[in-house]
Amino acid sequence: DTAVSQTPKYLVTQMGNDKSIKCEQNLGHDTMYWYKQDSKKFLKIMFSYNNKELIINETVPNRFSPKSPDKAHLNLHINSLELGDSAVYFCASSQVKAGQNTEAFFGQGTRLTVV
Amino acid sequence: AQSVAQPEDQVNVAEGNPLTVKCTYSVSGNPYLFWYVQYPNRGLQFLLKYITGDNLVKGSYGFEAEFNKSQTSFHLKKPSALVSDSALYFCAVSGAAGNKLTFGGGTRVLVKP
Repeated sequence: DTAVSQTPKYLVTQMGNDKSIKCEQNLGHDTMYWYKQDSKKFLKIMFSYNNKELIINETVPNRFSPKSPDKAHLNLHINSLELGDSAVYFCASSQVKAGQNTEAFFGQGTRLTVV
Repeated sequence: AQSVAQPEDQVNVAEGNPLTVKCTYSVSGNPYLFWYVQYPNRGLQFLLKYITGDNLVKGSYGFEAEFNKSQTSFHLKKPSALVSDSALYFCAVSGAAGNKLTFGGGTRVLVKP
């Protein structure tokens, strides 16, 4: 029954590796996001997709590549991982109704540790 | 550009006392304002939102927030805090032109018994 689910919950990997995080929402929302929460708990948007189309890319290194196979899924692939990529990554979804932004629902987060 | 400021890194309050977490924002056009709570090792949970209408918004778990357009503020309040309210609280804003949520830096609330 989880509304926004992301896997894995924890990911420990070595520098230079490539990894993916998957996200799925069953809320029927048309917009999905990836946020990064750093060690100081600061939350920053990375990407936003609306109906599988990229609409926001917030100066994220091109090592990060989101992919949305359909509007219920938004995966995040990261190439050549660096120590600074260590963070908690949150997937979220929302619905735009009548030109208004509804609240976003967040997944439980993926704690990525690069060693 | 839109931004959110939460001026207090931490708020300490005794159980049963009123709780206020401050938030001010900057955005072009009409703001969409949100409060979220994050418990340790958990995702963000939605508490309440202001889109339009009454300036006083009521949300989950007895929380409410007041939208003040002239002061560009959206402070979160609870009349009587519980120990279980101890968590990290985030204010967020979204402008009408897009659907990007910009978050404040978060305020840690510690409610002592």
